[in-house]
Amino acid sequence: EPEVTQTPSHQVTQMGQEVILRCVPISNHLYFYWYRQILGQKVEFLVSFYNNEISEKSEIFDDQFSVERPDGSNFTLKIRSTKLEDSAMYFCASKNGRSSGANVLTFGAGSRLTVL
Amino acid sequence: AQSVTQLDSQVPVFEEAPVELRCNYSSSVSVYLFWYVQYPNQGLQLLLKYLSGSTLVKGINGFEAEFNKSQTSFHLRKPSVHISDTAEYFCALSYGSSNTGKLIFGQGTTLQVKP
Repeated sequence: EPEVTQTPSHQVTQMGQEVILRCVPISNHLYFYWYRQILGQKVEFLVSFYNNEISEKSEIFDDQFSVERPDGSNFTLKIRSTKLEDSAMYFCASKNGRSSGANVLTFGAGSRLTVL
Repeated sequence: AQSVTQLDSQVPVFEEAPVELRCNYSSSVSVYLFWYVQYPNQGLQLLLKYLSGSTLVKGINGFEAEFNKSQTSFHLRKPSVHISDTAEYFCALSYGSSNTGKLIFGQGTTLQVKP
C-alpha cells in the first residue's frame, strides 16, 4: 500500500537553528499538508499546499515557517529559527484529487523535533 | 467555529471486552467525520470515515462508528478488543466543501487493553 514517508524520524536541534523536515507524499497525490502535535495536546493543522502554492495556513504558521515542493516528489517544512515551543511531532499528509471534498488524508509516521 | 471533543482521555478495558470511545462535535455546517488510530511510534492511520449515506460505518480491525446528527456524536465501538488494539485514537472532522485538507482533531483517547 502506498505510504507517505517522512525524514528524519527524530531531530534534536539547538534553539535558533534552522530545521528542514522532509516528506515524500504518495506519488499521484495532489494536495499536501503539515500538521503538528505538541506532546499531550491535539493534532493541529499547520498548512495545506496545492499547485505549488499555499492554500490555507493556520495562525501557528507564521513567518518562521515555510513549505516547498522543490523537485516534484519531496515536500518540505522549514522552520527558520527554532524556538523551544516548536518541539513537537510533525506529520506530513497527502490526498489525491478524487476525494477533494471529504479530505481523506494519508499521514506519514511523523518527525519528532526536539528543540533544546 | 467547529470543534471536536473526546470525552475520555484514557479508557482501560480487559481483552475480549467491548469498548466505546466517545466523540462529540460542534459545527454549524455539515461535516465529514473520521477516526484515526496511532500505534506507538507510528503515524496516524485511518480507521473509518463517515462521508454520507448510512450512519453506521465499518472500518478496519473490526471497529465501527455511528454518526448521530441529533446528538452530534460519532462514537467508536468494537465488540471484543484485543491486546493489539492498545493505541491512541483520534476523532476528527472536516467541513463544508473545503478543499484545504484542514482536519480538526479531538484531544485523543488512549485505549489500554489489559490481559
